[in-house]
Amino acid sequence: EDKVVQSPLSLVVHEGDTVTLNCSYEVTNFRSLLWYKQEKKAPTFLFMLTSSGIEKKSGRLSSILDKKELFSILNITATQTGDSAVYLCAVAPGTYKYIFGTGTRLKVLA
Amino acid sequence: GAVVSQHPSRVICKSGTSVKIECRSLDFQATTMFWYRQFPKKSLMLMATSNEGSKATYEQGVEKDKFLINHASLTLSTLTVTSAHPEDSSFYICSASSSGGIYNSPLHFGNGTRLTVT
Repeated sequence: EDKVVQSPLSLVVHEGDTVTLNCSYEVTNFRSLLWYKQEKKAPTFLFMLTSSGIEKKSGRLSSILDKKELFSILNITATQTGDSAVYLCAVAPGTYKYIFGTGTRLKVLA
Repeated sequence: GAVVSQHPSRVICKSGTSVKIECRSLDFQATTMFWYRQFPKKSLMLMATSNEGSKATYEQGVEKDKFLINHASLTLSTLTVTSAHPEDSSFYICSASSSGGIYNSPLHFGNGTRLTVT
């Protein structure tokens, strides 16, 4: 059975801290992995990863994929209160759909 | 670009009635759209894959006669919750991929529909 697991489930940090969110997967035929940020309604797209070892970066956020160990991490440096959200990871298992992980709920305190 | 519009954003209906939710891709054509359901503080659960001009593919455990999906054009998919019951109350959200298919471009989400069945 295809599976996507995120850890930790929730996390509370203070502004300025750096956080690392994890996404591990077991799927039959990996095609791609997506990271999203969900605040109140629609998830907003952060990164799409298909190749191992290539870091994608956008401002204070970065992500990398390890296809050998079957995981990805999302790093957020110098966190701000506006980073508080649920971060979702999704994997395409080669059956033309995406399976979402459990999500990590991040709260950044001022 | 790649905007997905979902309507209505919120609906309250009585038990036993049917509710239709629309999902439109505004600036691109979407051969495939996906319908997800999200429970409070939980992740997105894929309900079905909607394919333009053909029958939807439902995930295991999702009743196709209860959740009717129609994808009549390249820019519109609808989800109808038939004979709604209170346990159908949830947040329903659609998504679509723009050019190149889902392995080459990310999913873009509508703003979701919060359904409350009384």
